[in-house]
Amino acid sequence: KNQVEQSPQSLIILEGKNCTLQCNYTVSPFSNLRWYKQDTGRGPVSLTIMTFSENTKSNGRYTATLDADTKQSSLHITASQLSDSASYICVVRGGNNRLAFGKGNQVVVIP
Amino acid sequence: DAGVIQSPRHEVTEMGQEVTLRCKPISGHNSLFWYRQTMMRGLELLIYFNNNVPIDDSGMPEDRFSAKMPNASFSTLKIQPSEPRDSAVYFCASTVRAGGETQYFGPGTRLLVL
Repeated sequence: KNQVEQSPQSLIILEGKNCTLQCNYTVSPFSNLRWYKQDTGRGPVSLTIMTFSENTKSNGRYTATLDADTKQSSLHITASQLSDSASYICVVRGGNNRLAFGKGNQVVVIP
Repeated sequence: DAGVIQSPRHEVTEMGQEVTLRCKPISGHNSLFWYRQTMMRGLELLIYFNNNVPIDDSGMPEDRFSAKMPNASFSTLKIQPSEPRDSAVYFCASTVRAGGETQYFGPGTRLLVL
């Protein structure tokens, strides 16, 4: 079973609307959690990194949350733009420095 | 800075042929990572180097895969012989040091093995 599960697998939203992506993990011990954005045909780009003590972190219109007790993270996109169409990948680093990858949330923003 | 550079960007080859993927990390970065990405499995870490030394190659699928980093500015991932199931996008990423640092990904090499 994958140690990082993301949901929904894909979603379509109207430009200007908000959306929330979920990442649940079982990695233990936990070191940090990172959200990447991957545009079609390009490599992933880091959006945020969260450590155990951080609950919320923002990067422009992207806000990530972390609940280390329930092992859940979310990525909220505010006022979506067409350029937000991408795959969003959740990556969890364990205490042994191993990385566990989610399969990504595919977001399509339509005008 | 040009970022992480990978070549070729696309590769189409026949089953059984040798494939060599190349990566130039960002100057000054001491850790380099090779990933494979498919629709079915998502991103998978194959191997990573720290100061040119392979640290963890547990993700390398089998003996047909090998990776080298002869110096701080160049790495190769070789598949010999290639098989259709190796078709994927292969990414190289680098970071200042292994650990919690941000990884900077290259544009990827899209490999198709017929």
